Amino acid sequence: NAGVTQTPKFRILKIGQSMTLQCAQDMNHNYMYWYRQDPGMGLKLIYYSVGAGITDKGEVPNGYNVSRSTTEDFPLRLELAAPSQTSVYFCASRQNNEQFFGPGTRLTVL
Amino acid sequence: QKEVEQNSGPLSVPEGAIASLNCTYSDRGSQSFFWYRQYSGKSPELIMFIYSNGDKEDGRFTAQLNKASQYVSLLIRDSQPSDSATYLCAVNIAGSSNTGKLIFGQGTTLQVKP
Repeated sequence: NAGVTQTPKFRILKIGQSMTLQCAQDMNHNYMYWYRQDPGMGLKLIYYSVGAGITDKGEVPNGYNVSRSTTEDFPLRLELAAPSQTSVYFCASRQNNEQFFGPGTRLTVL
Repeated sequence: QKEVEQNSGPLSVPEGAIASLNCTYSDRGSQSFFWYRQYSGKSPELIMFIYSNGDKEDGRFTAQLNKASQYVSLLIRDSQPSDSATYLCAVNIAGSSNTGKLIFGQGTTLQVKP
């Protein structure tokens, strides 16, 4: 199993550009999550999904959108990127009590 | 606003010592408590979780929970240089145990010196 995979690893965006961060898992987990982690800080929940077709907002959803058309994939869309969205983004899936994290995407908005 | 507080550190201990990491939380309804380890530049990984008041041991790690004081801690015995990392405390949001939504503290950086 590859576990949770994320692409790209790094990305630089200009203010106002849009992009999609990809996340996939091959463990057949229903629950998936998107977090952002700012330097020296913990993780903040952006969006989550309890299964295909079902998504909901977390703590910091503004400026982001998600979709969940399959169990495997949970992409995060940034529209009109802003410098405040400079962060490391982690995707995770959950089985029982454990969340399994992907390697992260480091995003810089200039 | 629901919060999870940790001392950001760094906490420095000599090799072989006991490292004690602490966390407080604001939501009295929280039921599940997690400790994650995050090496620099890497993703978090679960060390252990605890639900009930008291201690839970797993190898060199012991989690301690006191719901009355809204306090959870992690003890690392016989600390090794490989334990040097940031330790994140996470607490489930009350009423959201089915969704697994967590609130994370900012993490405590542990340095174990040989």
